[in-house]
Amino acid sequence: GAVVSQHPSRVICKSGTSVKIECRSLDFQATTMFWYRQFPKQSLMLMATSNEGSKATYEQGVEKDKFLINHASLTLSTLTVTSAHPEDSSFYICSARDGGTDTQYFGPGTRLTVL
Amino acid sequence: EDKVVQSPLSLVVHEGDTVTLNCSYEVTNFRSLLWYKQEKKAPTFLFMLTSSGIEKKSGRLSSILDKKELFSILNITATQTGDSAIYLCAVSGSSNTGKLIFGQGTTLQVKP
Repeated sequence: GAVVSQHPSRVICKSGTSVKIECRSLDFQATTMFWYRQFPKQSLMLMATSNEGSKATYEQGVEKDKFLINHASLTLSTLTVTSAHPEDSSFYICSARDGGTDTQYFGPGTRLTVL
Repeated sequence: EDKVVQSPLSLVVHEGDTVTLNCSYEVTNFRSLLWYKQEKKAPTFLFMLTSSGIEKKSGRLSSILDKKELFSILNITATQTGDSAIYLCAVSGSSNTGKLIFGQGTTLQVKP
Protein backbone atom coordinates (compact mmCIF):
# COMPACT_ATOMS: atom_id res chain seq x y z
CA GLY A 1 0.00 0.00 0.00
CA ALA A 2 0.92 3.66 -0.27
CA VAL A 3 3.37 4.93 2.32
CA VAL A 4 3.59 8.41 3.77
CA SER A 5 6.40 9.33 6.13
CA GLN A 6 6.65 12.17 8.60
CA HIS A 7 9.70 13.56 10.31
CA PRO A 8 10.34 14.04 13.13
CA SER A 9 8.02 11.69 14.98
CA ARG A 10 8.46 13.62 18.18
CA VAL A 11 9.85 17.05 19.00
CA ILE A 12 10.22 19.03 22.20
CA CYS A 13 11.11 22.69 21.90
CA LYS A 14 11.22 25.88 23.91
CA SER A 15 8.57 28.54 23.61
CA GLY A 16 9.39 31.05 20.90
CA THR A 17 11.31 28.69 18.64
CA SER A 18 10.18 27.45 15.23
CA VAL A 19 9.69 23.81 14.35
CA LYS A 20 9.61 22.27 10.87
CA ILE A 21 7.76 19.03 10.15
CA GLU A 22 8.26 17.16 6.87
CA CYS A 23 5.73 14.98 5.12
CA ARG A 24 6.76 12.72 2.24
CA SER A 25 4.85 10.38 -0.03
CA LEU A 26 7.29 7.55 -0.63
CA ASP A 27 5.81 5.52 -3.46
CA PHE A 28 3.37 7.83 -5.21
CA GLN A 29 3.11 11.43 -6.31
CA ALA A 30 0.80 13.60 -4.27
CA THR A 31 -0.44 16.75 -5.92
CA THR A 32 -2.37 17.47 -2.75
CA MET A 33 -1.32 17.02 0.84
CA PHE A 34 -3.26 17.90 3.98
CA TRP A 35 -2.20 18.95 7.44
CA TYR A 36 -4.25 18.08 10.50
CA ARG A 37 -3.89 18.49 14.20
CA GLN A 38 -5.46 16.25 16.76
CA PHE A 39 -6.05 16.86 20.44
CA PRO A 40 -6.41 13.95 22.87
CA LYS A 41 -9.61 11.98 22.45
CA GLN A 42 -10.76 14.18 19.58
CA SER A 43 -11.05 13.63 15.87
CA LEU A 44 -8.73 15.14 13.29
CA MET A 45 -9.03 18.85 12.62
CA LEU A 46 -8.00 19.93 9.13
CA MET A 47 -5.63 22.88 9.23
CA ALA A 48 -4.79 23.40 5.58
CA THR A 49 -4.71 21.92 2.11
CA SER A 50 -1.35 22.02 0.39
CA ASN A 51 -1.10 21.95 -3.40
CA GLU A 52 2.19 21.42 -5.17
CA GLY A 53 3.52 24.64 -6.60
CA SER A 54 0.84 26.92 -5.17
CA LYS A 55 -0.12 28.56 -1.91
CA ALA A 56 -1.81 26.49 0.74
CA THR A 57 -5.48 26.92 1.53
CA TYR A 58 -6.07 27.38 5.23
CA GLU A 59 -9.18 26.46 7.17
CA GLN A 60 -11.06 29.12 9.03
CA GLY A 61 -9.38 30.06 12.27
CA VAL A 62 -5.93 28.75 11.32
CA GLU A 63 -3.27 31.46 11.23
CA LYS A 64 -1.34 31.18 7.99
CA ASP A 65 1.54 33.29 9.30
CA LYS A 66 1.96 30.99 12.25
CA PHE A 67 1.64 27.68 10.39
CA LEU A 68 3.73 28.05 7.25
CA ILE A 69 3.18 25.39 4.62
CA ASN A 70 5.37 24.71 1.64
CA HIS A 71 4.70 22.06 -0.99
CA ALA A 72 7.84 22.21 -3.05
CA SER A 73 7.53 18.93 -4.93
CA LEU A 74 5.07 16.17 -5.68
CA THR A 75 6.41 14.12 -2.79
CA LEU A 76 7.21 16.67 -0.08
CA SER A 77 5.25 19.15 1.99
CA THR A 78 6.52 20.93 5.09
CA LEU A 79 4.71 22.57 7.98
CA THR A 80 6.62 25.12 10.04
CA VAL A 81 5.17 26.16 13.37
CA THR A 82 6.65 29.61 13.93
CA SER A 83 7.24 31.11 17.36
CA ALA A 84 5.73 28.07 19.02
CA HIS A 85 3.85 28.42 22.28
CA PRO A 86 2.67 25.77 24.75
CA GLU A 87 -0.85 25.91 23.32
CA ASP A 88 0.60 24.71 19.99
CA SER A 89 1.49 21.41 21.63
CA SER A 90 -0.46 18.77 19.78
CA PHE A 91 -0.29 15.78 17.46
CA TYR A 92 0.24 16.97 13.89
CA ILE A 93 -0.63 14.57 11.09
CA CYS A 94 -0.17 14.94 7.37
CA SER A 95 -1.90 13.02 4.64
CA ALA A 96 -1.23 12.70 0.95
CA ARG A 97 -3.83 12.20 -1.72
CA ASP A 98 -3.11 9.58 -4.32
CA GLY A 99 -4.68 11.14 -7.38
CA GLY A 100 -4.90 7.80 -9.13
CA THR A 101 -7.16 6.22 -6.50
CA ASP A 102 -8.47 9.41 -4.85
CA THR A 103 -7.51 7.92 -1.48
CA GLN A 104 -5.78 9.79 1.32
CA TYR A 105 -2.98 8.07 3.18
CA PHE A 106 -1.76 9.37 6.50
CA GLY A 107 1.72 9.84 7.83
CA PRO A 108 2.55 8.47 11.30
CA GLY A 109 2.17 11.88 12.92
CA THR A 110 4.44 14.23 14.85
CA ARG A 111 3.98 14.83 18.56
CA LEU A 112 4.97 18.43 19.31
CA THR A 113 5.56 19.53 22.88
CA VAL A 114 6.34 23.20 23.50
CA LEU A 115 7.77 23.95 26.92
CA GLU B 1 -23.08 22.47 6.15
CA ASP B 2 -21.38 19.16 5.38
CA LYS B 3 -21.23 16.78 8.32
CA VAL B 4 -20.40 13.22 9.24
CA VAL B 5 -21.83 11.56 12.34
CA GLN B 6 -20.60 8.30 13.78
CA SER B 7 -22.28 6.07 16.31
CA PRO B 8 -21.81 4.78 18.85
CA LEU B 9 -19.08 7.07 20.16
CA SER B 10 -17.66 4.25 22.23
CA LEU B 11 -18.18 0.55 22.54
CA VAL B 12 -16.84 -2.18 24.82
CA VAL B 13 -17.12 -5.82 23.75
CA HIS B 14 -15.48 -9.15 24.51
CA GLU B 15 -13.23 -11.13 22.22
CA GLY B 16 -15.21 -13.09 19.70
CA ASP B 17 -18.12 -10.66 19.57
CA THR B 18 -19.26 -9.06 16.32
CA VAL B 19 -19.56 -5.28 16.18
CA THR B 20 -21.21 -2.88 13.79
CA LEU B 21 -20.08 0.73 13.57
CA ASN B 22 -22.27 3.34 11.92
CA CYS B 23 -21.53 6.41 9.88
CA SER B 24 -24.14 8.78 8.48
CA TYR B 25 -23.39 11.82 6.38
CA GLU B 26 -24.79 14.94 4.76
CA VAL B 27 -22.43 16.12 2.09
CA THR B 28 -22.85 18.15 -1.07
CA ASN B 29 -21.81 16.23 -4.19
CA PHE B 30 -20.66 13.06 -2.48
CA ARG B 31 -17.54 11.48 -3.98
CA SER B 32 -16.43 8.74 -1.60
CA LEU B 33 -16.55 7.49 1.98
CA LEU B 34 -13.47 6.19 3.73
CA TRP B 35 -12.91 4.19 6.89
CA TYR B 36 -9.71 4.45 8.91
CA LYS B 37 -8.40 2.72 12.03
CA GLN B 38 -6.39 4.78 14.48
CA GLU B 39 -4.39 3.20 17.26
CA LYS B 40 -1.64 5.12 18.97
CA LYS B 41 -0.40 6.93 15.91
CA ALA B 42 -2.00 8.25 12.76
CA PRO B 43 -4.95 6.63 10.98
CA THR B 44 -4.41 3.65 8.73
CA PHE B 45 -6.59 3.19 5.69
CA LEU B 46 -9.20 0.43 5.74
CA PHE B 47 -11.73 0.94 2.95
CA MET B 48 -12.90 3.42 0.37
CA LEU B 49 -16.51 3.15 -0.79
CA THR B 50 -17.99 4.92 -3.75
CA SER B 51 -20.88 2.74 -4.91
CA SER B 52 -24.01 1.66 -3.06
CA GLY B 53 -24.57 -1.94 -2.10
CA ILE B 54 -21.11 -3.28 -2.92
CA GLU B 55 -19.51 -4.84 0.12
CA LYS B 56 -15.80 -4.41 0.61
CA LYS B 57 -14.10 -7.05 2.68
CA SER B 58 -10.70 -7.51 4.26
CA GLY B 59 -10.34 -10.46 6.59
CA ARG B 60 -12.74 -10.03 9.49
CA LEU B 61 -13.62 -6.47 8.47
CA SER B 62 -16.25 -5.52 5.94
CA SER B 63 -18.03 -2.36 4.96
CA ILE B 64 -20.93 -1.29 2.81
CA LEU B 65 -22.39 2.00 1.64
CA ASP B 66 -26.01 3.06 1.17
CA LYS B 67 -26.07 6.26 -0.89
CA LYS B 68 -29.85 6.49 -0.76
CA GLU B 69 -30.00 6.50 3.02
CA LEU B 70 -26.64 8.31 3.30
CA PHE B 71 -24.87 5.93 5.63
CA SER B 72 -22.23 3.26 5.86
CA ILE B 73 -21.50 0.48 8.30
CA LEU B 74 -18.24 -1.16 9.27
CA ASN B 75 -18.53 -4.71 10.57
CA ILE B 76 -15.90 -6.55 12.54
CA THR B 77 -16.51 -10.23 13.19
CA ALA B 78 -14.79 -12.43 15.80
CA THR B 79 -13.21 -9.39 17.41
CA GLN B 80 -9.73 -9.58 18.92
CA THR B 81 -8.00 -7.35 21.45
CA GLY B 82 -5.90 -6.00 18.57
CA ASP B 83 -9.04 -4.51 17.07
CA SER B 84 -9.18 -2.02 19.95
CA ALA B 85 -8.79 1.39 18.34
CA ILE B 86 -10.62 4.48 17.22
CA TYR B 87 -12.44 3.94 13.95
CA LEU B 88 -12.84 7.05 11.84
CA CYS B 89 -15.29 7.59 9.03
CA ALA B 90 -14.57 10.36 6.53
CA VAL B 91 -16.38 11.63 3.46
CA SER B 92 -15.03 13.42 0.42
CA GLY B 93 -17.55 15.92 -0.88
CA SER B 94 -18.09 18.87 -3.12
CA SER B 95 -14.56 20.12 -3.38
CA ASN B 96 -12.31 18.49 -5.95
CA THR B 97 -9.34 19.02 -3.64
CA GLY B 98 -9.99 15.70 -1.94
CA LYS B 99 -10.64 17.39 1.40
CA LEU B 100 -12.14 14.94 3.89
CA ILE B 101 -14.81 15.62 6.47
CA PHE B 102 -14.31 13.41 9.50
CA GLY B 103 -16.78 12.02 11.97
CA GLN B 104 -16.06 12.09 15.68
CA GLY B 105 -14.82 8.52 15.64
CA THR B 106 -15.94 5.39 17.46
CA THR B 107 -13.67 4.14 20.23
CA LEU B 108 -13.78 0.37 20.33
CA GLN B 109 -12.37 -1.59 23.26
CA VAL B 110 -12.19 -5.35 22.97
CA LYS B 111 -11.70 -7.11 26.28
CA PRO B 112 -10.08 -10.55 26.54
